[in-house]
Amino acid sequence: NAGVTQTPKFQVLKTGQSMTLQCAQDMNHNSMYWYRQDPGMGLRLIYYSASEGTTDKGEVPNGYNVSRLNKREFSLRLESAAPSQTSVYFCASSDGQGYTQYFGPGTRLTVL
Amino acid sequence: AQSVTQLGSHVSVSEGALVLLRCNYSSSVPPYLFWYVQYPNQGLQLLLKYTSAATLVKGINGFEAEFKKSETSFHLTKPSAHMSDAAEYFCAVSGTNSGGYQKVTFGTGTKLQVIP
Repeated sequence: NAGVTQTPKFQVLKTGQSMTLQCAQDMNHNSMYWYRQDPGMGLRLIYYSASEGTTDKGEVPNGYNVSRLNKREFSLRLESAAPSQTSVYFCASSDGQGYTQYFGPGTRLTVL
Repeated sequence: AQSVTQLGSHVSVSEGALVLLRCNYSSSVPPYLFWYVQYPNQGLQLLLKYTSAATLVKGINGFEAEFKKSETSFHLTKPSAHMSDAAEYFCAVSGTNSGGYQKVTFGTGTKLQVIP
């Protein structure tokens, strides 16, 4: 039981490049989330998926897209990376019972 | 709308001293409240959770938090700090929004430094 896994762990991009962050959970959770963490700002929700087949915008969705591929997997895509997207990205999932979220280890992204 | 305010972005305590991390929340419905801990270069882990069953909640690693509705507070305490407690701590509040989504709002975090 790996919980929530994320790939890659680290990534450096040049401005304008694209990439996809992968997330998978093996806890059979319905809901999945993407957050970004920046110093002094806590965690900010980018997108979420309440269930398989649905996605919705969070607080800071601009510049990102998501895909809920199946119940296990939820990917985050940066189509044209910008330096402002330099951050640590966390994926999380929850089972809908008590709202507890389970987090992956994070992806540290630098955009030059 | 729900919100969380953590007082103090950095807190320093001596090893063996009391740890007190402050959190105040705002919520229009009875909330679920959480404390998460983040160790360097890791994701967030749940420390404890309040779900209205009991106002004093005990968590892992000797931490506990008390829900005080009159003060809209959910402060985290530990009687005796250990070096391994050095980490960043996040308070969070959750509830269901109009769309049925489990919205969780995180505070901005408090970094705890433990001085030997």
